Amino acid sequence: GNSVTQMEGPVTLSEEAFLTINCTYTATGYPSLFWYVQYPGEGLQLLLKATKADDKGSNKGFEATYRKETTSFHLEKGSVQVSDSAVYFCALSSGSNYQLIWGAGTKLIIKP
Amino acid sequence: DAGITQSPRHKVTETGTPVTLRCHQTENHRYMYWYRQDPGHGLRLIHYSYGVKDTDKGEVSDGYSVSRSKTEDFLLTLESATSSQTSVYFCAVSGTRGETQYFGPGTRLLVL
Repeated sequence: GNSVTQMEGPVTLSEEAFLTINCTYTATGYPSLFWYVQYPGEGLQLLLKATKADDKGSNKGFEATYRKETTSFHLEKGSVQVSDSAVYFCALSSGSNYQLIWGAGTKLIIKP
Repeated sequence: DAGITQSPRHKVTETGTPVTLRCHQTENHRYMYWYRQDPGHGLRLIHYSYGVKDTDKGEVSDGYSVSRSKTEDFLLTLESATSSQTSVYFCAVSGTRGETQYFGPGTRLLVL
C-alpha cells in the first residue's frame, strides 16, 4: 500500500545552518506530495506542495523537489532560523480515495 | 486560512462519559476529516466526510462516531470515553479529493 517514511527526529541545528529533512514514499500512480508544518500549540499548515514529477515546491525559503526516480521529496532550507523550530510532516495524496497518507513527523530544533 | 474553528479547545472528562467535539467551517469545503495526534504516531485518520450525511471510517475509527447534517459542521462523538482516547484532535477540510487539507487549531482532550 501507499506509505510515507520520514527521517526520525529530533533534528537539532544551529541558526543559519543548512537543513535537509528526508522523505521517501511508496505509491501507485502519480500522487501529489506535501510538506506541512506544525508550530508549538498550533494546528498543521501547508508549507509547500508538488503535483507532478520534477516539480519544485517552495515557500518561506523552504524547497522540495518531487523526484519520481528516487521516490523522494526531501525538504531543504539554506539558512534556518530559530523561528523554524517546529514539527514537519511529509504527506502524499493516494489518489484513489479521500485521504492523505502521512509521515510520522520530524521535530526540528534550531538553537541560537 | 480556511475559516475552521473547533470547540471546545480543551476538555477534561471522566471515563465512560459521552463527549462531542465540533468542527465548523465557513468556506463550504466538501471534504472534512477528523484526526487524532499522539506522540510517536503522527496523525491518524478517524473518520472523514465527502458530503452532507456522507461519511466513512478511517484507520482508527473504533469507539468514535461522526455526523454531518450541514456542510459547515462535522461532529465527532466518543460514545463512552476511555483513557486511550486522551489525545489532541484535529479537524481538517479540503475542497477536492486528496488535495491540500486545511487544519483547525485542535482540541486537547483528557480522559481521566
